[in-house]
Amino acid sequence: DAGVTQSPTHLIKTRGQHVTLRCSPISGHKSVSWYQQVLGQGPQFIFQYYEKEERGRGNFPDRFSARQFPNYSSELNVNALLLGDSALYLCASLKGFDTGELFFGEGSRLTVL
Amino acid sequence: GDSVTQMEGPVTLSEEAFLTINCTYTATGYPSLFWYVQYPGEGLQLLLKATKADDKGSNKGFEATYRKETTSFHLEKGSVQVSDSAVYFCACGGTSYGKLTFGQGTILTVHP
Repeated sequence: DAGVTQSPTHLIKTRGQHVTLRCSPISGHKSVSWYQQVLGQGPQFIFQYYEKEERGRGNFPDRFSARQFPNYSSELNVNALLLGDSALYLCASLKGFDTGELFFGEGSRLTVL
Repeated sequence: GDSVTQMEGPVTLSEEAFLTINCTYTATGYPSLFWYVQYPGEGLQLLLKATKADDKGSNKGFEATYRKETTSFHLEKGSVQVSDSAVYFCACGGTSYGKLTFGQGTILTVHP
């Protein structure tokens, strides 16, 4: 089975632009979470979606939004990009709330110039 | 909110040395505790976990024990290998496991 897949793997944007990142969870996994990992730091939680509903949100501004589709794939959108948004954006899927194991994709590396 | 503090790195060891990476947490309730590993060029992978006090998680020779009295979850391995070189992250999470709080990561380099 394929793991968590994310696209694009790398992208460069300029300040003020908008970006959309995509994630496909492992087949059968219904929950997707998004994390931001700034260089040299641990991942920070942005959103969790389960069954297409937002189930949790981290301390990120409203410029960050996400959604989950009927096939459980997900998009993360960031508007009005700032230099500080440069980071690795990780998507993780969760089979069920009883397991506790998140399966991470390899991430989308965003550089904002 | 929850927080996780890991010992600062990087950590450099010779092959077959003993490894300890300290991790302490602050959380409400009774979180589950995790160690994730990130090998060069790869995504985060779960290394081990413990879901309640005094539980010991273990995998690939690594161990960590959930110590509620000291709010700690230190990672240990008796004899490291060059292939263990990676970044190690301690994390805690509550009932909603999609939301984890991570430490800042510890870079481990093992020399032959």
